Amino acid sequence: AQRVTQPEKLLSVFKGAPVELKCNYSYSGSPELFWYVQYSRQRLQLLLRHISRESIKGFTADLNKGETSFHLKKPFAQEEDSAMYYCAAWGSNSGYALNFGKGTSLLVTP
Amino acid sequence: DTGVSQDPRHKITKRGQNVTFRCDPISEHNRLYWYRQTLGQGPEFLTYFQNEAQLEKSRLLSDRFSAERPKGSFSTLEIQRTEQGDSAMYLCASSRSGGRNTGELFFGEGSRLTVL
Repeated sequence: AQRVTQPEKLLSVFKGAPVELKCNYSYSGSPELFWYVQYSRQRLQLLLRHISRESIKGFTADLNKGETSFHLKKPFAQEEDSAMYYCAAWGSNSGYALNFGKGTSLLVTP
Repeated sequence: DTGVSQDPRHKITKRGQNVTFRCDPISEHNRLYWYRQTLGQGPEFLTYFQNEAQLEKSRLLSDRFSAERPKGSFSTLEIQRTEQGDSAMYLCASSRSGGRNTGELFFGEGSRLTVL
């Protein structure tokens, strides 16, 4: 079954510490991977996509096909990074649905 | 354009009643999605429209659920004979037309349903 797994429900780090939010996927073929973020009282929005190989707000994510992972990383966490993060995948064989993981709540404390 | 808008934002109803949610997507977007989100879960795909055509439905969309997008603009999601298990946040999203999907969905703020 096509699945996106985020093993951590909650991740708490201190300001300035590195952050890694884990995402693993189970898809046939080569899915497209994304990270979405939802800040408190805001809408769910796209953070970054693997195909763009971009860095947004200091975050990067590397697609590792061997480990079927797409972990989100930031070297120095900021308090404003506190939010809910969702990994999502789009498979060429999975129709039009963008499938989301259950999310990881990131809390950055001073 | 203020983005994707959903109405109502909150709905409390009694079991067995029918409810309808409306979504107004971003005007130039011809792709529209409905998702459901319950506590502790990520958004779960319900259905997809391209213009007025409903091209995909999840198995989560039981026969009590129906969605329409009559003129390819706004969409409605109706739940008949609501059950307590229908209590959730219903999210609408839209995306740009043409070409390969970029994966950038623009979400509304959601309609929260509570079934008593």
